[in-house]
Amino acid sequence: DQQVKQNSPSLSVQEGRISILNCDYTNSMFDYFLWYKKYPAEGPTFLISISSIKDKNEDGRFTVFLNKSAKHLSLHIVPSQPGDSAVYFCAASLGGSQGNLIFGKGTKLSVKP
Amino acid sequence: EPEVTQTPSHQVTQMGQEVILRCVPISNHLYFYWYRQILGQKVEFLVSFYNNEISEKSEIFDDQFSVERPDGSNFTLKIRSTKLEDSAMYFCASREDRGIAFFGQGTRLTVV
Repeated sequence: DQQVKQNSPSLSVQEGRISILNCDYTNSMFDYFLWYKKYPAEGPTFLISISSIKDKNEDGRFTVFLNKSAKHLSLHIVPSQPGDSAVYFCAASLGGSQGNLIFGKGTKLSVKP
Repeated sequence: EPEVTQTPSHQVTQMGQEVILRCVPISNHLYFYWYRQILGQKVEFLVSFYNNEISEKSEIFDDQFSVERPDGSNFTLKIRSTKLEDSAMYFCASREDRGIAFFGQGTRLTVV
């Protein structure tokens, strides 16, 4: 049972354009969502997060949008740069004493010069 | 900047042998996790640890697995009798409270 789904295994965009990575979830109790970036043979690196009480959070080139009614979130990267090429994981958390993150399968982003 | 450190970076072991993967979480963090990623697959939750006990574990985390925080700084994952399918990258993570989990660089476990 996949609670967090990233249905696009890969995405290719041109440098300078917008990258949009999508994530869907099934558990309406999730209250915190995070995006991680992962390079090969390295651990996931935190990128940006959003609480369920918000619908948007922005940090530089990265913006995360949350649509609770649709149980959908997305990560926008504008403008995309070749160094953004990595696997992006969406993760969701119930927070509190549980706190474990449930990850999606990841989307491999390739930004072409 | 504080970081989660994991040792060794790569461990090769014979099937049936015991392995211990070590992690030093960020010092003021309260929640500790182990995840694994089999090559080409998603990052999977194994276990969470809080207040010196397991708070949640996945179905992957069977009796072959155990975790320990022996000295207040290290956090270890032990696999008692390794199987070929245990070959994966194992990631330790720590977290202060609700919020961001920080991951280590991982230990690549190869069971032969």
